[in-house]
Amino acid sequence: QQQVRQSPQSLTVWEGETAILNCSYEDSTFNYFPWYQQFPGEGPALLISISSVSDKKEDGRFTIFFNKREKKLSLHITDSQPGDSATYFCAADTNAYKVIFGKGTHLHVLP
Amino acid sequence: ETAVFQTPNYHVTQVGNEVSFNCKQTLGHDTMYWYKQDSKKLLKIMFSYNNKQLIVNETVPRRFSPQSSDKAHLNLRIKSVEPEDSAVYLCALRSSGNTLYFGEGSRLIVV
Repeated sequence: QQQVRQSPQSLTVWEGETAILNCSYEDSTFNYFPWYQQFPGEGPALLISISSVSDKKEDGRFTIFFNKREKKLSLHITDSQPGDSATYFCAADTNAYKVIFGKGTHLHVLP
Repeated sequence: ETAVFQTPNYHVTQVGNEVSFNCKQTLGHDTMYWYKQDSKKLLKIMFSYNNKQLIVNETVPRRFSPQSSDKAHLNLRIKSVEPEDSAVYLCALRSSGNTLYFGEGSRLIVV
């Protein structure tokens, strides 16, 4: 059973545009939502995260918008750069040792 | 800062052989994981270890077994590999702030 869904599967934007990556979940017990960034040949690395008590988290060009009622969140990458090209994973965590990942969004930023 | 070290990075073997992947962490945190990442980048949790105690044992085939000699090490043993085991195996460490630190992964190719 897939508990965390991501869309789109692949996204291409031009340098300078805003990329929007979507995520939804099913289990109401999830209370922490990290986004991980993965480059080829490397393991995923934490990019930004949000807890369920917040509706927005910003870190430089990266912003998470969270809608608890609809169980949806999105990652906005403003002023996208070619170096942002990577796979982005939305994850859900209950602080109970189990972290569930979505299938990822492959982002391509064209110069 | 690299906190999780995996060896080997790459391994090619034949069906039916035994394989072991090693993982060492340097931050001293208690919870470690093994994830399997397939060719489509899907991340699936396999095992979770908290201070040498198995917390979550997902429905993985019995030929897979985690092995831990101490808090800093969590190895993965595959007793008799099959073609569908070809994947990247990622070891991760959970920090006190709920961040997962991943190693670079061990790529397994079964021929």
